[in-house]
Amino acid sequence: GEDVEQSLFLSVREGDSSVINCTYTDSSSTYLYWYKQEPGAGLQLLTYIFSNMDMKQDQRLTVLLNKKDKHLSLRIADTQTGDSAIYFCAETLGGGGYNKLIFGAGTRLAVHP
Amino acid sequence: EAQVTQNPRYLITVTGKKLTVTCSQNMNHEYMSWYRQDPGLGLRQIYYSMNVEVTDKGDVPEGYKVSRKEKRNFPLILESPSPNQTSLYFCASRRTGPPTGEQYFGPGTRLTVT
Repeated sequence: GEDVEQSLFLSVREGDSSVINCTYTDSSSTYLYWYKQEPGAGLQLLTYIFSNMDMKQDQRLTVLLNKKDKHLSLRIADTQTGDSAIYFCAETLGGGGYNKLIFGAGTRLAVHP
Repeated sequence: EAQVTQNPRYLITVTGKKLTVTCSQNMNHEYMSWYRQDPGLGLRQIYYSMNVEVTDKGDVPEGYKVSRKEKRNFPLILESPSPNQTSLYFCASRRTGPPTGEQYFGPGTRLTVT
């Protein structure tokens, strides 16, 4: 079935690294995504990784993909208070011009001094 | 500025009183979608539209209607709202090509049905 799972809460100290984990179900997913939702705002695409990649780095963000275990992670280096938000993992299912985006429940990241 | 706008941002209404939440995008995107966000459940798709006059049900369409008469607009209609439709609603749009999960979201509409 369609299911993307992630832990609901993560608390880190400012300056430390944050690692948000996600497991997905569809091994045929072409892309996997991380979205960020700041308080009172809509979701914003943070980064995505193509399924034939193991890792993608973008400034402070590192995405790791383990296709064998269907595990995706987002690492935020030098976490800042501005990184406090809800982070959603998502995969796309389907084909033929329509791809359904399936979201996890979201991980609330709290950054404390 | 490329954006998806929604109105109203906040709405409190009573059971059974018809309402419409508007959504508009200025990016000439073919695809538009409505989601609802509930605690612990993430986002669930209500309806989507691949283009003008083409709409289809998502995972939780019961109690909702949509229309797509123009490319830029995709209103969500609740004909007879009920308390279980109290939620945070997001409209999103994207272009046709990959990655198809690259969606642009509106700021959200918080709906309370009493």
